[in-house]
Amino acid sequence: EVQLVESGGGLVQPGGSLRLSCAASGFLFRTYWMSWVRQTPGGGLEWVANIKEDGSEKYYVDSVKGRFTISRDNTKTSLYLQMNNVRVEDTAMYYCARAPRLTTPGTFDCWGQGTLVTVSS
Amino acid sequence: EIVLTQSPGTLSLSPGERATLSCRASQSVRSTYLAWYQQKPGQAPRLLIYSASNRATGVPDRFSGSGSGTDFTLTISRLEPEDFAVYYCQHYANSLFTFGPGTQVDFK
Repeated sequence: EVQLVESGGGLVQPGGSLRLSCAASGFLFRTYWMSWVRQTPGGGLEWVANIKEDGSEKYYVDSVKGRFTISRDNTKTSLYLQMNNVRVEDTAMYYCARAPRLTTPGTFDCWGQGTLVTVSS
Repeated sequence: EIVLTQSPGTLSLSPGERATLSCRASQSVRSTYLAWYQQKPGQAPRLLIYSASNRATGVPDRFSGSGSGTDFTLTISRLEPEDFAVYYCQHYANSLFTFGPGTQVDFK
C-alpha cells in the first residue's frame, strides 16, 4: 500500500523557518517525481514545488521562490521542504504528493494526510 | 500563466440526480494534462480523472470527464451520498501545476 506521511508542521513566527518531511513507503520512491501542494484556510489548493526522481530538477511556484527549498533522500525514501523567511500567507495544510510522469501524467495520484503550518506572531 | 475557472461555485442537488461541473481554462490546454480531484472534509484530495477523460484506479464509472481546448466537464451520472464533496480541476504545463477554485456539491 502506498503511504505518504508528513511531519514537521507547527506554529512559526513570520520570518522564521520550518522543515517539513514526508516519509514514503509502498512504492519505488526513487522512480517518481514528488511534490508539495498546500491548501489555504480558505480551501484553495496551490502547488508549491516538485522535484525530479534523482533531485536534479526542481520547480517552484513564484510566491515561494528563493524562500523554500525542496529536496529528497532516496536512500531514506523521504521528501523535504525547507521553509525560510515564512510569511503569514504561507499558513496552510501542506501535502506531500506523488507526481507520476507515465501512468497518470501531470497529476498527483497519491497524497499524504497533510501537516499544518501556521505562521503567526 | 493559465488560469482555471470552475462553475458553479456551489451545486445543490439530491442523491440520484446528475451533476455537471465545468472547468474553463484561460487559454487552450492539452487534454493530456487536465485532471479532476474530489475532496471530502478532513481528507486529502483524491485523483478522479486524468487526461480529461480517463478514470483513475478504483473510481466508479458514474464519474466521467470530457472536453478539450478551454472547456472541460466532470459529470456524475447519478449522485451517491458519498459523492457530496468539493471537486477541483487541475492543469499541468511546463513543469508547473495550477488548480481551479473548486465546485462544492452539496445536498439540496
